[in-house]
Amino acid sequence: ETGVTQSPTHLIKTRGQQVTLRCSSQSGHNTVSWYQQALGQGPQFIFQYYREEENGRGNFPPRFSGLQFPNYSSELNVNALELDDSALYLCASSVGTSGGDTQYFGPGTRLTVL
Amino acid sequence: AQKITQTQPGMFVQEKEAVTLDCTYDTSDQSYGLFWYKQPSSGEMIFLIYQGSYDEQNATEGRYSLNFQKARKSANLVISASQLGDSAMYFCAMISPRDSSYKLIFGSGTRLLVRP
Repeated sequence: ETGVTQSPTHLIKTRGQQVTLRCSSQSGHNTVSWYQQALGQGPQFIFQYYREEENGRGNFPPRFSGLQFPNYSSELNVNALELDDSALYLCASSVGTSGGDTQYFGPGTRLTVL
Repeated sequence: AQKITQTQPGMFVQEKEAVTLDCTYDTSDQSYGLFWYKQPSSGEMIFLIYQGSYDEQNATEGRYSLNFQKARKSANLVISASQLGDSAMYFCAMISPRDSSYKLIFGSGTRLLVRP
């Protein structure tokens, strides 16, 4: 069984640029959630996709957007990058959206904005 | 508001000894779930253990057990027989049916260092 994978591993961008991060969910999982983890903090929920539809969103501005594809893989897009967007971006997949469905995380993408 | 509090920024434990990592939570929901994740320096969040709010027994997974005290709103992680590979950040997280997304709410984490 293949776990959650993310690409790229590391990324360096400059302010104002746009970035796309990718996530492949674990086999059999139809739900993908994205989290942002700033240095020294716990992850913060960005949004979740369930069967290609956004299924909840955290307190992030609209320049954070996403997609989920028919194979349940997902993208996180960030426009007009700011220095504070520098963080580890984690993707998690789960079988469904109920409270008991464990979210399994990928290795993350470390984004640095200069 | 829902909140997870981890009051121990850092902990030391001697190899082969047991250690308890504290977690308290705040919620007005009756139904919720509590999770512990381990985050090594590589960054990946590794699922360790889950406790549902209606589970009467404390959850156990190998060397990990969750000391669930509902009245106190605490969900402490106990690691028995610590190993050097247990050195990592540990995060307590909560999930509740506030909205359809069942997002995880994380605490600030505890850094555990296992001494040989």
